[in-house]
Amino acid sequence: QQQVKQSPQSLIVQKGGISIINCAYENTAFDYFPWYQQFPGKGPALLIAIRPDVSEKKEGRFTISFNKSAKQFSLHIMDSQPGDSATYFCAASTDKLIFGTGTRLQVFP
Amino acid sequence: DTGVSQNPRHKITKRGQNVTFRCDPISEHNRLYWYRQTLGQGPEFLTYFQNEAQLEKSRLLSDRFSAERPKGSFSTLEIQRTEQGDSAMYLCASGGHMNTEAFFGQGTRLTVV
Repeated sequence: QQQVKQSPQSLIVQKGGISIINCAYENTAFDYFPWYQQFPGKGPALLIAIRPDVSEKKEGRFTISFNKSAKQFSLHIMDSQPGDSATYFCAASTDKLIFGTGTRLQVFP
Repeated sequence: DTGVSQNPRHKITKRGQNVTFRCDPISEHNRLYWYRQTLGQGPEFLTYFQNEAQLEKSRLLSDRFSAERPKGSFSTLEIQRTEQGDSAMYLCASGGHMNTEAFFGQGTRLTVV
């Protein structure tokens, strides 16, 4: 019930392409869904977040799509850049964050 | 720097020794979280505080682990009688009200030899 399942485990995208990472959850009590970006040796950095009362949120090149009925949400990175190469984690929260297993994104020029 | 600060950044210790890590949250954040992250995995919840009250402890947190947050400001995480399996990145995060943004520090990398 507390798990957040994330896919794919790794993703290779050409520069300028769209990166898509998916997450699914079971616990309908979750009501806050952030995405974090993590570079090697650093702590996770909050990227963008959504609440279940909206279906989409966009900030710059990053968009979260949220499907409450399917209990799924995804991160879309438009115009992917080599500097976006990092590990991305989805998370879901009631009173504490439960993280997915991460997606290692590599963007090649 | 007004972000979450963790010290030390790196700690190498011999098996069986005790270690203590410190986290200074963003000022005025009343919630403070501790997570553990091993290579290739997502952060795993350990415990969290609201002000000085420890509200939840994960089953991952054995009796060798203890966390405190005196006066609701900084927090310490102590591991007694360290084991090689304790080697990980220990992350601290702070946040305001429940279910708002949580910001992480840079972590403390623990290596038990």
